[in-house]
Amino acid sequence: QKEVEQDPGPLSVPEGAIVSLNCTYSNSAFQYFMWYRQYSRKGPELLMYTYSSGNKEDGRFTAQVDKSSKYISLFIRDSQPSDSATYLCALNKGSTLGRLYFGRGTQLTVWP
Amino acid sequence: NAGVMQNPRHLVRRRGQEARLRCSPMKGHSHVYWYRQLPEEGLKFMVYLQKENIIDESGMPKERFSAEFPKEGPSILRIQQVVRGDSAAYFCASSPGQDSYEQYFGPGTRLTVT
Repeated sequence: QKEVEQDPGPLSVPEGAIVSLNCTYSNSAFQYFMWYRQYSRKGPELLMYTYSSGNKEDGRFTAQVDKSSKYISLFIRDSQPSDSATYLCALNKGSTLGRLYFGRGTQLTVWP
Repeated sequence: NAGVMQNPRHLVRRRGQEARLRCSPMKGHSHVYWYRQLPEEGLKFMVYLQKENIIDESGMPKERFSAEFPKEGPSILRIQQVVRGDSAAYFCASSPGQDSYEQYFGPGTRLTVT
């Protein structure tokens, strides 16, 4: 079993929809949780990061962490065609300078 | 403020040649990570370096791969005697250091082995 599981999709939604992206993990040692966005043939771009269970909001994006269920989510409100990209969850085992463990990424297409 | 820089962006090598990938971290960042992304797979950690030190190389293949981050100049990932299976996108990330766990990625180097 992989340490971080993420459904690769693809996920296709109309413009304006609410998008829900999810990852699960198996190791309770993970303490820091990040979401990256990666456009085709580009480097990953850090979107959001959080440490604690609960919600963190930034504009149209909300990151949610449930440590008891080992489940993390990224919600995108009012989705736009420019949100079309691959979204990667990344987890860290509690060291501020440690390696990241990535999910496979979910490919999202938002059509006008 | 320039981001993480990687060069070359594209690199083509024949089997058996050497590949050298360079990474300049963001200004003020002293921690560098290398990751590899194979088609249809997520990013896999390879190595974590600070200036003149390898901190964690647990993701690095034991043979043919090496990395360095000298006191002056960029970090270099070196692949000797490349094989077709080395074809991938190689990404470098940097982090500022103490009390920070965000990693910022460069645009990547796409290596093709023919």
